Amino acid sequence: SQQGEEDPQALSIQEGENATMNCSYKTSINNLQWYRQNSGRGLVHLILIRSNEREKHSGRLRVTLDTSKKSSSLLITASRAADTASYFCATDGGRIQGAQKLVFGQGTRLTINP
Amino acid sequence: EAQVTQNPRYLITVTGKKLTVTCSQNMNHEYMSWYRQDPGLGLRQIYYSMNVEVTDKGDVPEGYKVSRKEKRNFPLILESPSPNQTSLYFCASGRTGRNNIQYFGAGTRLSVL
Repeated sequence: SQQGEEDPQALSIQEGENATMNCSYKTSINNLQWYRQNSGRGLVHLILIRSNEREKHSGRLRVTLDTSKKSSSLLITASRAADTASYFCATDGGRIQGAQKLVFGQGTRLTINP
Repeated sequence: EAQVTQNPRYLITVTGKKLTVTCSQNMNHEYMSWYRQDPGLGLRQIYYSMNVEVTDKGDVPEGYKVSRKEKRNFPLILESPSPNQTSLYFCASGRTGRNNIQYFGAGTRLSVL
C-alpha cells in the first residue's frame, strides 16, 4: 500500500541551487522520515520529524511537516554534486504504538549538474 | 562498526532453484525487515520481524519465507524462485518504539532466469 508519494519524480538543478522535494501521505502518522539512496545502494536515514513538530533542520537539510495537509517537504540548500541521489519519504502508517511498519514513497530522483 | 550485512550482493540463478539471502545486524535491533525495489514501484515490504520468533507478512510476501531464530539474523528464503522475483532486495533493521529509524544493508541484486 502506498502511503507517501513524492513530487516531483525527478529534479535536475545546477550546483549551488536549492532543491525542494515534496511528500504527501494519506493516513495519520506518528512521524515522517526522509532517506537518501545513492544509485543501487542501501537507503540512508537523513532526518525524522514527529507529528507534533512543524520544522526541523540538519545541516543543509530543512524538513517541514503540515499534518493538516498531510504533506512534508525536504529542502536541500546550496546543493553539491554529492547530493545526486534518490530521496524517499517514509511514514509509519499510523498503526498502533510500537508497530514498526514504514511505508516508503517511490522517491524523487535528484540530479545536481556541475 | 554498526552495520547491516547482506550476502550475496549479486546472484544469478535459474527458475526453481532454492536460494537464501542472508542478513545480519550487529546493533541488537529488535526489528528487521526485507524489501524489494523495482523500477516504478518503489520499495515494497516483503516480511518483517518484531523480535525473535515473531514474523509477519508485508505487502508482497508471496513466494518468500523468512525465519528469525536469533536476534541478529533474518534470512530471506526463496523456495522456488521465478523470473518475477528478479529485483533488488534490501534488508533493514531498527529499534521498536517512537524512534523507528531503519538501517539498511547494501542490497542484493537477484536475477532469476
